[in-house]
Amino acid sequence: NAGVTQTPKFRILKIGQSMTLQCTQDMNHNYMYWYRQDPGMGLKLIYYSVGAGITDKGEVPNGYNVSRSTTEDFPLRLELAAPSQTSVYFCASSYQGTSGGTDTQYFGPGTRLTVL
Amino acid sequence: GEDVEQSLFLSVREGDSSVINCTYTDSSSTYLYWYKQEPGAGLQLLTYIFSNMDMKQDQRLTVLLNKKDKHLSLRIADTQTGDSAIYFCAVYSGGYQKVTFGIGTKLQVIP
Repeated sequence: NAGVTQTPKFRILKIGQSMTLQCTQDMNHNYMYWYRQDPGMGLKLIYYSVGAGITDKGEVPNGYNVSRSTTEDFPLRLELAAPSQTSVYFCASSYQGTSGGTDTQYFGPGTRLTVL
Repeated sequence: GEDVEQSLFLSVREGDSSVINCTYTDSSSTYLYWYKQEPGAGLQLLTYIFSNMDMKQDQRLTVLLNKKDKHLSLRIADTQTGDSAIYFCAVYSGGYQKVTFGIGTKLQVIP
């Protein structure tokens, strides 16, 4: 198992450009998440998905979009990049059964994005 | 909503014990986690404890939970330089997307 993979590892964007951060998991997890990590701020949830075709906003969704067409993939789209979106982005996944669960999340290695 | 607080920094000497503390606010929290983040990497689950437990031990790691005070701690025995990392406390209160992370405690181990 590769676990959770993210591409690219690094990216520099100019203000106003757009890009998609890719995330794939091979653990057949139903839940997937996107977080951003800013220095001294911990993790902030951007969007999450409880299954293919279902997504919902987290704490800081503005400026981002997501889709979940398959169980494995959960791309994050930045349409008009702004300097405030400079951050490290982490994708995570977990499995939740019908009776609940621990929601232990497995994280990808992250994408470091700089917007200039 | 849930609030999870941790101190930002801890420095210990190699071989000593480290204790990283966390407080939370939601008394209905069911699972409480400790994650480790090494430089340039994602978060890795170290251990977790269910809310009906007071203590969990896993090799050098001991997790203590005080539900009355809503206080969680992680003790690392015989701390090694390889333990230098950021440690995140996280709390799960059930339902969709109910894991709240603390800001992380940076552990520095001095040789």
